[in-house]
Amino acid sequence: AQSVTQLGSHVSVSEGALVLLRCNYSSSVPPYLFWYVQYPNQGLQLLLKYTSAATLVKGINGFEAEFKKSETSFHLTKPSAHMRDAAEYFCAVSTTGTASKLTFGTGTRLQVTL
Amino acid sequence: NAGVTQTPKFQVLKTGQSMTLQCAQDMNHEYMSWYRQDPGMGLRLIHYSVGAGITDQGEVPNGYNVSRSTTEDFPLRLLSAAPSQTSVYFCASSYLAGRDEQFFGPGTRLTVL
Repeated sequence: AQSVTQLGSHVSVSEGALVLLRCNYSSSVPPYLFWYVQYPNQGLQLLLKYTSAATLVKGINGFEAEFKKSETSFHLTKPSAHMRDAAEYFCAVSTTGTASKLTFGTGTRLQVTL
Repeated sequence: NAGVTQTPKFQVLKTGQSMTLQCAQDMNHEYMSWYRQDPGMGLRLIHYSVGAGITDQGEVPNGYNVSRSTTEDFPLRLLSAAPSQTSVYFCASSYLAGRDEQFFGPGTRLTVL
């Protein structure tokens, strides 16, 4: 079984401040980990993914995440928030296999204030 | 490429009615899936398919039916709509399950009265 926990359903930061969105996962086998972003009234799009290569993963729009096996974490960061980053962010986990399923966390809504 | 398309964008049903949510992709992806999104619950997998003719249940399959007769199409059927099925429904596709990025459609907002 696999699961994802996202700490904090709402995070508010000032424009220019560090963004840190937390994700912890549970998986009985080596996981693949993803961060997706959802802008209002849209579908989800991939920010970045970890697939057992480099543990520090860089994504689009200046976001990055670090896979830490010892902490079972995959936190998402961005050094300087921009107003356009306001959205909902989902962490997700899957595993190998043709019938592998993607399991999502409950999401974190990021608010960026002036 | 149109990517993943879903129709309709919005739908209102009465309890007990049936309907089909359409999903199509033009990327020749083998893996397709349906999710529902509810506030505070993230996305939950309803059904998925690893190729034409092969489907399986996800986390919340009750009340929904799927089939996959072609690689491109993966319709979701609500057999007898209930208010608990009020949700936003997303279809997604990828080359394979597991490590590949899933591409999402724009969603269908369904209200069951």
